Amino acid sequence: KQEVTQIPAALSVPEGENLVLNCSFTDSAIYNLQWFRQDPGKGLTSLLLIQSSQREQTSGRLNASLDKSSGRSTLYIAASQPGDSATYLCAVDSGYALNFGKGTSLLVTP
Amino acid sequence: DGGITQSPKYLFRKEGQNVTLSCEQNLNHDAMYWYRQDPGQGLRLIYYSQIVNDFQKGDIAEGYSVSREKKESFPLTVTSAQKNPTAFYLCASRPYRDRSRNEQFFGPGTRLTVL
Repeated sequence: KQEVTQIPAALSVPEGENLVLNCSFTDSAIYNLQWFRQDPGKGLTSLLLIQSSQREQTSGRLNASLDKSSGRSTLYIAASQPGDSATYLCAVDSGYALNFGKGTSLLVTP
Repeated sequence: DGGITQSPKYLFRKEGQNVTLSCEQNLNHDAMYWYRQDPGQGLRLIYYSQIVNDFQKGDIAEGYSVSREKKESFPLTVTSAQKNPTAFYLCASRPYRDRSRNEQFFGPGTRLTVL
């Protein structure tokens, strides 16, 4: 069964810092990997989807990379802002449904 | 507006009562999913459906039931057999054509509390 791990579980940074969130998965046979954002009490918002044939995707200040062979993905957030404070979840599609990590809770302080 | 709607936003259930959570999408997506989210446990798959009139159990289906009579709708019933139903329930959908491009979208969630 695909296992997805996210490190760190929580992160606090001052505004303006660049930061990296990590995601690892145990089975490299994936269709794609998706990063989500979740605000407290809300549903998940899709940030980026990386297809299995791609190495990275960019959207604004976000950049996600994928290394299938090593089972790793990173989400890079440039010039962090207090509005980036949320939980970030990584999910891997390797079968009938997405397998989720437990998320990284990010706090960006002014 | 295209998207996924869930209702109600908050739901309270008495012991021994069945309740039904609604999920509707107008994205013309083939596949729909129900997840349960508990603090510290991440998202766990309850049921999923890839086409109308067909659905499959996920990892934690016991005490739940679903139907998929229309492409747009995938209601979840939490039965009295579910011993610990208090949780945040999330519905999702995605197309099911090119697997590598199938971006998944989520509804706003329903918070169920057992009284």
